[in-house]
Amino acid sequence: SQQGEEDPQALSIQEGENATMNCSYKTSINNLQWYRQNSGRGLVHLILIRSNEREKHSGRLRVTLDTSKKSSSLLITASRAADTASYFCATYAGKSTFGDGTTLTVKP
Amino acid sequence: KAGVTQTPRYLIKTRGQQVTLSCSPISGHRSVSWYQQTPGQGLQFLFEYFSETQRNKGNFPGRFSGRQFSNSRSEMNVSTLELGDSALYLCASSPGENNEKLFFGSGTQLSVL
Repeated sequence: SQQGEEDPQALSIQEGENATMNCSYKTSINNLQWYRQNSGRGLVHLILIRSNEREKHSGRLRVTLDTSKKSSSLLITASRAADTASYFCATYAGKSTFGDGTTLTVKP
Repeated sequence: KAGVTQTPRYLIKTRGQQVTLSCSPISGHRSVSWYQQTPGQGLQFLFEYFSETQRNKGNFPGRFSGRQFSNSRSEMNVSTLELGDSALYLCASSPGENNEKLFFGSGTQLSVL
């Protein structure tokens, strides 16, 4: 099974609302990354948080990491229709392992 | 800088055939990794190359193989195709050894009939 598991599997919100996605993993990590994928395309790196960091911001993105619970969350604030995509967490410990993803739909 | 280029974009094959997919990483990137993406299994790691050496391999049968050339371009080959090999195959490159940030190509959509 995948190292990272996202929750929820699917999320549907209205434009302007915030979207929160969670990721759990099983083993020790060096860092955790979040990626976005538009339908049928490659993944785009969004943000990386290292194991010694607890929170990181990038524009409308906020990522938290709790190594004691082996979990991370991605918050997208003031969502836009263009944020509609699948979001994946990936852990790196010698190799990158991806979760199953959360499909986010933002309705205009 | 040009991004990661994967060719072809779409491919249709029949069972039993073999296929070769190509990936050109971003200039200067020495690490290339391959992933298989299907609706049921998600993103599965296939293998990773760094400076022409395979560093990691995922849990795939020997029908899946790859290589990396001295210019960092990479190819993956699937022999004796099965219906279940239908998937989006993604290649990613990164500049160094620790793959902290992967740059993905648009993928090759393989359909096996």
